[in-house]
Amino acid sequence: SQQGEEDPQALSIQEGENATMNCSYKTSINNLQWYRQNSGRGLVHLILIRSNEREKHSGRLRVTLDTSKKSSSLLITASQAADTASYFCAALTSAAGNKLTFGGGTRVLVKP
Amino acid sequence: EAGVAQSPRYKIIEKRQSVAFWCNPISGHATLYWYQQILGQGPKLLIQFQNNGVVDDSQLPKDRFSAERLKGVDSTLKIQPAKLEDSAVYLCASSFGGLAGFMREQYFGPGTRLTVT
Repeated sequence: SQQGEEDPQALSIQEGENATMNCSYKTSINNLQWYRQNSGRGLVHLILIRSNEREKHSGRLRVTLDTSKKSSSLLITASQAADTASYFCAALTSAAGNKLTFGGGTRVLVKP
Repeated sequence: EAGVAQSPRYKIIEKRQSVAFWCNPISGHATLYWYQQILGQGPKLLIQFQNNGVVDDSQLPKDRFSAERLKGVDSTLKIQPAKLEDSAVYLCASSFGGLAGFMREQYFGPGTRLTVT
């Protein structure tokens, strides 16, 4: 079963707008990671947030983590056409044998 | 720094045939992972190596899938015999090793797209 479940499944925005996607997971985590996958390319790590952290920034990315609600969000500010991709959250949990369990992803389309 | 290398990039085979994928991780990365990604889904871990030892293969269909990492560097994943439902992208990833290496970010290769007809 999947740990991370993303919402929405797909998102279409105009260039310059912000994009927000959410991730829910089921059990306690060690950390939660976000990855991006462009068409035809492999997964690229974006950001990692530990279970004792609540918010983290990296460039135009902002990740929040609410362990009480077992949820995380990824915000991309001032989106660019190059941000068009699928975004996956991945939960690292002891319960799952300390392996990453990926969600189904959010497909983001940024229109110029 | 060179990334994770995988070959081939594409493979088309008929069901019941066998196929092998190769992966060379980033130099110095002790932990190596193989994932299966079915179209429209997130990656699913098949097997995880720490150096040349298997850490987790609980989701590897061992009746048809096998993997090895003999010298603790590159790795091969084999499917024999292939089924239609094995059509997917097979991703290799690596991360820094050590006791907490599994908690680090993973670096992925471009993947091998397998089509079983």
